[in-house]
Amino acid sequence: GAGVSQSPRYKVAKRGQDVALRCDPISGHVSLFWYQQALGQGPEFLTYFQNEAQLDKSGLPSDRFFAERPEGSVSTLKIQRTQQEDSAVYLCASSLGSQAFSGNTIYFGEGSWLTVV
Amino acid sequence: AQSVAQPEDQVNVAEGNPLTVKCTYSVSGNPYLFWYVQYPNRGLQFLLKYITGDNLVKGSYGFEAEFNKSQTSFHLKKPSALVSDSALYFCAVRVDSNYQLIWGAGTKLIIKP
Repeated sequence: GAGVSQSPRYKVAKRGQDVALRCDPISGHVSLFWYQQALGQGPEFLTYFQNEAQLDKSGLPSDRFFAERPEGSVSTLKIQRTQQEDSAVYLCASSLGSQAFSGNTIYFGEGSWLTVV
Repeated sequence: AQSVAQPEDQVNVAEGNPLTVKCTYSVSGNPYLFWYVQYPNRGLQFLLKYITGDNLVKGSYGFEAEFNKSQTSFHLKKPSALVSDSALYFCAVRVDSNYQLIWGAGTKLIIKP
């Protein structure tokens, strides 16, 4: 596709429910990132994939958060037993190169807006 | 610690006037600098970046930014503001071969007609 595609765009979950957020990166992009963004604030890093390998998951806030990218393209961010504090925008981003060249542009999707009630 | 500062939470400019959104950084190593814009209820859109070469970088929507190594700054500028430029602007930096982006807190730009 032309850009990073995320679904669903909006999700309302009841507290305790599991949710899965999908990301389709730009075709051929090696690097994939997940970020969490609170309203009016900057993005907070969650996790980084290079192809199918999850190289960094240091930003995942708890063991209820899990991300995968099994075939090195589409990625899913799963949140188990959602809590109200999980309400945020979840942004997926992709980049053509690997971590070796930091000048590569990171392109973002429109985000998945999660509200936990 | 590596950091990016956007000293103004909000910038107000009259339509047609020049605008500047400030960004300074503090890093160890070679910086790669980025500007992103976020419109309400939208994701982050890439505007421009500095990697190497000419210190003046031109980007989307008529925006430009100047890399100043001695002042460790990368201010975003536009000669004539449009009401449609009203949005949240983020400055970010990557260092050397690190994949992590270090983000500023964002600046809300309001252009008044």
